[in-house]
Amino acid sequence: AQSVTQLDSQVPVFEEAPVELRCNYSSSVSVYLFWYVQYPNQGLQLLLKYLSGSTLVKGINGFEAEFNKSQTSFHLRKPSVHISDTAEYFCAVRSGGYNKLIFGAGTRLAVHP
Amino acid sequence: DTGVSQDPRHKITKRGQNVTFRCDPISEHNRLYWYRQTLGQGPEFLTYFQNEAQLEKSRLLSDRFSAERPKGSFSTLEIQRTEQGDSAMYLCASSSRSSEISWSADTQYFGPGTRLTVL
Repeated sequence: AQSVTQLDSQVPVFEEAPVELRCNYSSSVSVYLFWYVQYPNQGLQLLLKYLSGSTLVKGINGFEAEFNKSQTSFHLRKPSVHISDTAEYFCAVRSGGYNKLIFGAGTRLAVHP
Repeated sequence: DTGVSQDPRHKITKRGQNVTFRCDPISEHNRLYWYRQTLGQGPEFLTYFQNEAQLEKSRLLSDRFSAERPKGSFSTLEIQRTEQGDSAMYLCASSSRSSEISWSADTQYFGPGTRLTVL
């Protein structure tokens, strides 16, 4: 069975500091991995996704993530955060042949001035 | 491309009442998904349609829940005899096959959600 663990429920960080949001997944077959962001009272917006090929994936708003198959991880990083990055971030996994996304519980990123 | 829209955005109802939500997917997207998100959790899959056919239902979708997509365009999700445990955000997403890898690689585009509060 597929599952996703987001290791930090909340991450406080100062503006312009780097940040890493951690995600580990469990799946016995090949996977596709996604990071979504959710701003208050809004739906989810795709930040980036890993399908195949290069393990370093670049997304919108300066975010990037690295797929590590041996550690079953897909951590999200940004070298310098802004106040506007304050939001909930969700990691999700989907295996080949399956239709639904399996989401982690989310990490709340709080950027302070 | 106007994005996925959902109506209403908020719904407050009393326990035991029936409610219906509507989702309009991105035009020409032939897959439509429903998810439920409770406070402090990630979205959980409920069901999905390919065109008008409902192809998968989660065990979360009790017999009080029914979803339709009659003409393969918009979809409705109805909850009968609502319970307080039904209070959640109901999210709709749509996708089209953009990857030759498999359907599992397609991007799901989410709507803003309908927040249901059952008193």
